[in-house]
Amino acid sequence: KAGVTQTPRYLIKTRGQQVTLSCSPISGHRSVSWYQQTPGQGLQFLFEYFSETQRNKGNFPGRFSGRQFSNSRSEMNVSTLELGDSALYLCASSLGGRQTDTQYFGPGTRLTVL
Amino acid sequence: AQSVTQLGSHVSVSEGALVLLRCNYSSSVPPYLFWYVQYPNQGLQLLLKYTSAATLVKGINGFEAEFKKSETSFHLTKPSAHMSDAAEYFCAVSDIDDMRFGAGTRLTVKP
Repeated sequence: KAGVTQTPRYLIKTRGQQVTLSCSPISGHRSVSWYQQTPGQGLQFLFEYFSETQRNKGNFPGRFSGRQFSNSRSEMNVSTLELGDSALYLCASSLGGRQTDTQYFGPGTRLTVL
Repeated sequence: AQSVTQLGSHVSVSEGALVLLRCNYSSSVPPYLFWYVQYPNQGLQLLLKYTSAATLVKGINGFEAEFKKSETSFHLTKPSAHMSDAAEYFCAVSDIDDMRFGAGTRLTVKP
């Protein structure tokens, strides 16, 4: 069974631009969660989607948004990029939810904002 | 609000020695607790998780962790370190609304 895939793997943007990251979960998984990893703040939970609905969201500004499609693929969007948005963005999929089921992580998308 | 503290950002052990990575949590509700491992340039991999079924949790690669409510701890151990265990380890606590990670502990294994 194929693992979680994230595209693109690397991305360079400039301040003020917007970016969309994509995550394809393991087949059959209905939950996708997103995380931001930075040297300063560490790993932080962004949001979780389940069956196309956002279940919950971490403490991030409204510039960070996401969605999930009927095939469970998910996208994350960051608008008006800031230097501090440079990070590794990880997505993880699970069968029924991040809390009760095992999450499988993708390799991440490394975003650099110049 | 829940939180996680990992004691020691770097831990170094000799191959074959005991591995002990410390994690303390705070949570207002019975927590779900996790240990993840991250190898360079990769995502996280679940080692084990506590979901209130048993206080001693066995995970993959010979790791285990013990949930101690009185000490609010969930320390990760492995009896004998292997070179392939060198990585960064994250403790995490989760509830229905949020998930919090510790700052991570980088484990070095010396030959």
